[in-house]
Amino acid sequence: SQKIEQNSEALNIQEGKTATLTCNYTNYSPAYLQWYRQDPGRGPVFLLLIRENEKEKRKERLKVTFDTTLKQSLFHITASQPADSATYLCAPDDGNKLVFGAGTILRVKS
Amino acid sequence: DTGVSQDPRHKITKRGQNVTFRCDPISEHNRLYWYRQTLGQGPEFLTYFQNEAQLEKSRLLSDRFSAERPKGSFSTLEIQRTEQGDSAMYLCASSSPGVRETQYFGPGTRLLVL
Repeated sequence: SQKIEQNSEALNIQEGKTATLTCNYTNYSPAYLQWYRQDPGRGPVFLLLIRENEKEKRKERLKVTFDTTLKQSLFHITASQPADSATYLCAPDDGNKLVFGAGTILRVKS
Repeated sequence: DTGVSQDPRHKITKRGQNVTFRCDPISEHNRLYWYRQTLGQGPEFLTYFQNEAQLEKSRLLSDRFSAERPKGSFSTLEIQRTEQGDSAMYLCASSSPGVRETQYFGPGTRLLVL
């Protein structure tokens, strides 16, 4: 079955630095992969989608890469701010549904 | 607010009782999804509808769970004979015909089974 692995430990970084989160998947080949942000007690919020034929996607301070050979996606937040503190979920597709990783907690300290 | 709404936001019930949750998707979104999320885990797919048709259900979904979307608008998720293991956040999401890949989530219904 599909397996999605994200950084199991929380990532603590200083304000202004770049945060890099990793998502690895095994046992299938998604056509696209999405990243969501989730705050405590709330539903996930869509951030970015990258397709299998795209190497990189950017949106403001966010950047996502997708390496189908390594079966890995990297999610970068540049010039991080305390307001970026949240759980970030990786979600490759599986046909008509998404398969979510457990998420990585990001804490940005001022 | 024209986002996905869910009702109730919180539900406490006793083991063995039945519960029903409601989801109202974004207007004109034809796809609707249900997920379940436990603490420290990502959302887990339960089922999805395209219009009123239920097109896929998770193999992990117990037969105590049933979902409907009778008119292709709002949806209900019912859990019969609740068990303590059903305690979780139940999330609803919807997507549009034009960009079906992107799912917009509601705030969730947090269920606690005592």
